[in-house]
Amino acid sequence: DQQVKQNSPSLSVQEGRISILNCDYTNSMFDYFLWYKKYPAEGPTFLISISSIKDKNEDGRFTVFLNKSAKHLSLHIVPSQPGDSAVYFCAASSAQGAQKLVFGQGTRLTINP
Amino acid sequence: GAGVSQSPSNKVTEKGKDVELRCDPISGHTALYWYRQSLGQGLEFLIYFQGNSAPDKSGLPSDRFSAERTGGSVSTLTIQRTQQEDSAVYLCASSTTGGWVNQPQHFGDGTRLSIL
Repeated sequence: DQQVKQNSPSLSVQEGRISILNCDYTNSMFDYFLWYKKYPAEGPTFLISISSIKDKNEDGRFTVFLNKSAKHLSLHIVPSQPGDSAVYFCAASSAQGAQKLVFGQGTRLTINP
Repeated sequence: GAGVSQSPSNKVTEKGKDVELRCDPISGHTALYWYRQSLGQGLEFLIYFQGNSAPDKSGLPSDRFSAERTGGSVSTLTIQRTQQEDSAVYLCASSTTGGWVNQPQHFGDGTRLSIL
């Protein structure tokens, strides 16, 4: 039972363009959503989060959008840079679940020069 | 240190041996989590510590797995009688608080465990 799904295992984007990574979830109890970036041989690095009371959160080049009715969130990176090439994980948690993170399978983003 | 520290970074051992993995959380973080990532899989939750409360062990895959957190800081994850399916990257994370307040978890670089 995959509660958090990232249906695109990989994405290739040209440098300077917008990267859009998508994530779907099934558990309506989730109330906090996060995106992590992971380089090989390193742990996930926290990027940006959003609470279920909001529908958008922006931090520099990164914006996360939450559509609760569709149980869908997305991460927009603009403009994309070569250093953004990494695996991106979507994660969700609920207060009732003691903030245990449930992760998607990840999307490998490649930024082409 | 500034971040979550895990040791060893790599561990290779024979099937049937016991292993101990260590995690030093960020100073002042009261919540500590263990996750693992098997090859080609996402991260899966193992166990959660919050302050002096009883740990949430709901993610431990078998009774061969145990963890403790001494003095509310350092944690060790122990796997007894290791099996080949235990091969994975074991990741530790900490946050300023767990439970009812939303705070991001910050991860260490993990221990890559290989069972021969």
